[in-house]
Amino acid sequence: DTAVSQTPKYLVTQMGNDKSIKCEQNLGHDTMYWYKQDSKKFLKIMFSYNNKELIINETVPNRFSPKSPDKAHLNLHINSLELGDSAVYFCASSHTGQGPYGYTFGSGTRLTVV
Amino acid sequence: AQTVTQSQPEMSVQEAETVTLSCTYDTSENNYYLFWYKQPPSRQMILVIRQEAYKQQNATENRFSVNFQKAAKSFSLKISDSQLGDTAMYFCAFMNMDSNYQLIWGAGTKLIIKP
Repeated sequence: DTAVSQTPKYLVTQMGNDKSIKCEQNLGHDTMYWYKQDSKKFLKIMFSYNNKELIINETVPNRFSPKSPDKAHLNLHINSLELGDSAVYFCASSHTGQGPYGYTFGSGTRLTVV
Repeated sequence: AQTVTQSQPEMSVQEAETVTLSCTYDTSENNYYLFWYKQPPSRQMILVIRQEAYKQQNATENRFSVNFQKAAKSFSLKISDSQLGDTAMYFCAFMNMDSNYQLIWGAGTKLIIKP
């Protein structure tokens, strides 16, 4: 079973559309993250949730809205998509209570806005 | 603010050779962890190795080992007997235990193993 699963893996959409990316982890982790990886491979954190509470909210456009219905899920909704939103988006999870064993990543969602 | 610097954008070596990827970081904290992640062309982010700052002994995982120099704030990754499957982007990352366990990432080094 996949530990951190993201859907979809690829997403091609037109400018102005609204889209969502879903993420689920079955590791029992208490913290989940969204990262954006740009064309130069640089990873930038967007959001972090701990037990469904938002703990990191970096400077991203408010068109991006995370939603965590429970601690196993963290979805990312993007409104009014722009060309510059094209990137790979990674979901990750970790368990802070067991020490920093690093993050477990999903396989990423490649978003292409045309 | 903490920063992580990987000074080698790209490296290439012959299969079976040993290669060292450099990473330096800047922090005033004492309680932190360091990581190396690998991202092959499949895009998956894979944890390679982890080092606790309070441990003097360098971490090793099979062919992968680190040279952790705390005073110099250096955390290099050595890959021995390199294999074609080691071709990937390698990211160094820093985690401050007192900052929501957020990972601070380097810009990555693209490693190419040539047959």
